[in-house]
Amino acid sequence: DADVTQTPRNRITKTGKRIMLECSQTKGHDRMYWYRQDPGLGLQLIYYSFDVKDINKGEISDGYSVSRQAQAKFSLSLESAIPNQTALYFCATSRGNNQPQHFGDGTRLSIL
Amino acid sequence: AQTVTQSQPEMSVQEAETVTLSCTYDTSESDYYLFWYKQPPSRQMILVIRQEAYKQQNATENRFSVNFQKAAKSFSLKISDSQLGDAAMYFCAYSPPTSGTYKYIFGTGTRLKVLA
Repeated sequence: DADVTQTPRNRITKTGKRIMLECSQTKGHDRMYWYRQDPGLGLQLIYYSFDVKDINKGEISDGYSVSRQAQAKFSLSLESAIPNQTALYFCATSRGNNQPQHFGDGTRLSIL
Repeated sequence: AQTVTQSQPEMSVQEAETVTLSCTYDTSESDYYLFWYKQPPSRQMILVIRQEAYKQQNATENRFSVNFQKAAKSFSLKISDSQLGDAAMYFCAYSPPTSGTYKYIFGTGTRLKVLA
């Protein structure tokens, strides 16, 4: 089983719909992250969480919200999806700042 | 603010040859960490190599090695004996020292093509 699991793997939806992307991990890491990847822009940080009670906005948090339901679970929501939120979304975990990040397989989200 | 720049959007290398991918960064910190990640067409993000800024010795991992020039703020990745499986997007990343605000920053990536 993967250490960092994202669901769904792919999703196509319509403008205005509410969408939730889920992430769970078995690595026991406190830190979890959500990134968005667009062609030519690399990875941009949406939100991050250092523990269950600590949630922080990243560079591009507008239009997104998150919930850290447990140490192992961190979900990303798009309250009212718009086409420019079409992207590849990654969840990642890490033990600390100086440690590598461990990524899920990504969710490819298309908003029509 | 810290920045990471990968100035080569795309590179090509002949199978079995050597290629070097460039990465420069800007920071006022003296202690930090640098990483290279590989993203093959399967879209997974895979750690290739890690370098600690306080270590002068360049990190090596099998066919992958780095040329870390701290004064120049340069962190290039050398791939020796390139294989078809090395074809991927490669991302350079910067991480601050332990503790404090999160500032993990990725470059925009270099797409590596390996020619048979």
